[in-house]
Amino acid sequence: DVKVTQSSRYLVKRTGEKVFLECVQDMDHENMFWYRQDPGLGLRLIYFSYDVKMKEKGDIPEGYSVSREKKERFSLILESASTNQTSMYLCATMWDRAGELFFGEGSRLTVL
Amino acid sequence: QQQVKQSPQSLIVQKGGISIINCAYENTAFDYFPWYQQFPGKGPALLIAIRPDVSEKKEGRFTISFNKSAKQFSLHIMDSQPGDSATYFCAADKETSGSRLTFGEGTQLTVNP
Repeated sequence: DVKVTQSSRYLVKRTGEKVFLECVQDMDHENMFWYRQDPGLGLRLIYFSYDVKMKEKGDIPEGYSVSREKKERFSLILESASTNQTSMYLCATMWDRAGELFFGEGSRLTVL
Repeated sequence: QQQVKQSPQSLIVQKGGISIINCAYENTAFDYFPWYQQFPGKGPALLIAIRPDVSEKKEGRFTISFNKSAKQFSLHIMDSQPGDSATYFCAADKETSGSRLTFGEGTQLTVNP
């Protein structure tokens, strides 16, 4: 079974803080994704990566950056957290460029 | 801009009933339509998917119906069970786009015993 692990399930941060959300996968998948989930808005793609050290913007990249230094690890960075970034963040992986997404259990971030 | 519109936002069904969730899309280039199921505290997981060369796909109690001309697809859950209570997301993708899945807004399904 594919395992996608998000290290922090719940975080509370202050406005302006730098926030790191970590995601690790154990199935050697090339593709990794960060989504945010908000009620009534579904899942929206923030950033994705097809390979180590590469990244591409998704639909809502503003206020976020990512890092992929190793194949198994994909980090989402909020340089200066704001209250409108309070959300559930979901990491996902995919074996090929078209197919099934495997999600982690999510990181619920509250920015005060 | 929401390219995949999902309805209803919430749905309550009695045990044994049929649950129906509908989605409509705009981009005619979409050629892959998966449904994801999410239980509380968990990430979404692929439930069933269809490609537009067929009008229907059935897996157990779950069926996707696809209407290419209307640009609509729907999920039917037959004999709904309390264990089906979850949030369901439809999605659409153009497979050559590099996995840019576009998700619907989600439907929270509650199946009462």
